[in-house]
Amino acid sequence: GQQLNQSPQSMFIQEGEDVSMNCTSSSIFNTWLWYKQDPGEGPVLLIALYKAGELTSNGRLTAQFGITRKDSFLNISASIPSDVGIYFCAGQLGNAGGTSYGKLTFGQGTILTVHP
Amino acid sequence: NAGVTQTPKFRILKIGQSMTLQCAQDMNHNYMYWYRQDPGMGLKLIYYSVGAGITDKGEVPNGYNVSRSTTEDFPLRLELAAPSQTSVYFCASSYRPTGRTTEQYFGPGTRLTVT
Repeated sequence: GQQLNQSPQSMFIQEGEDVSMNCTSSSIFNTWLWYKQDPGEGPVLLIALYKAGELTSNGRLTAQFGITRKDSFLNISASIPSDVGIYFCAGQLGNAGGTSYGKLTFGQGTILTVHP
Repeated sequence: NAGVTQTPKFRILKIGQSMTLQCAQDMNHNYMYWYRQDPGMGLKLIYYSVGAGITDKGEVPNGYNVSRSTTEDFPLRLELAAPSQTSVYFCASSYRPTGRTTEQYFGPGTRLTVT
């Protein structure tokens, strides 16, 4: 099946620093999603990307859909302690309503620790 | 709306026992999904359902069964629990994915240990 490689696996940063993480795939995806998971909770959607080259922001978060459709990037600017958690990328293959049935392939996650 | 709810939050099973993980959503979503999350790994799809009475296997279905008798509920059944099924299980739901609507809403998870 499809595999997503997410890096880095973990990051330890100081409050106020910027953060970058990325996801690469051997397959082309038509949708890229970025989720955050707090301890003991389910993942929550941060940003969704639907078109190659698309750059989308959500507050201090910015994500990009790679031109090749095989990668995506997430940046967090001016990190704060509540940014702590696990960040997951997820890719979806087909167009919605097609045979993909909305199924997502997840990366392994990036564990972010922010020191005050 | 309560969103996606899961019960129980924690469970310890002995090898060979069986149990059902409950999942319910009150958002009138057609699509529902079960994932498992192992330490240091992303989520892997176990089963999914596109509507009441319709289910299909995901990436890792072995050892599990599902049913979807109503739009709201999507229970996951473990028969003959094995240590390899120790994991955190997440249920998710979404509207029928069309165009840009692909967001899946996740429940809080069930942490299962099989010893």
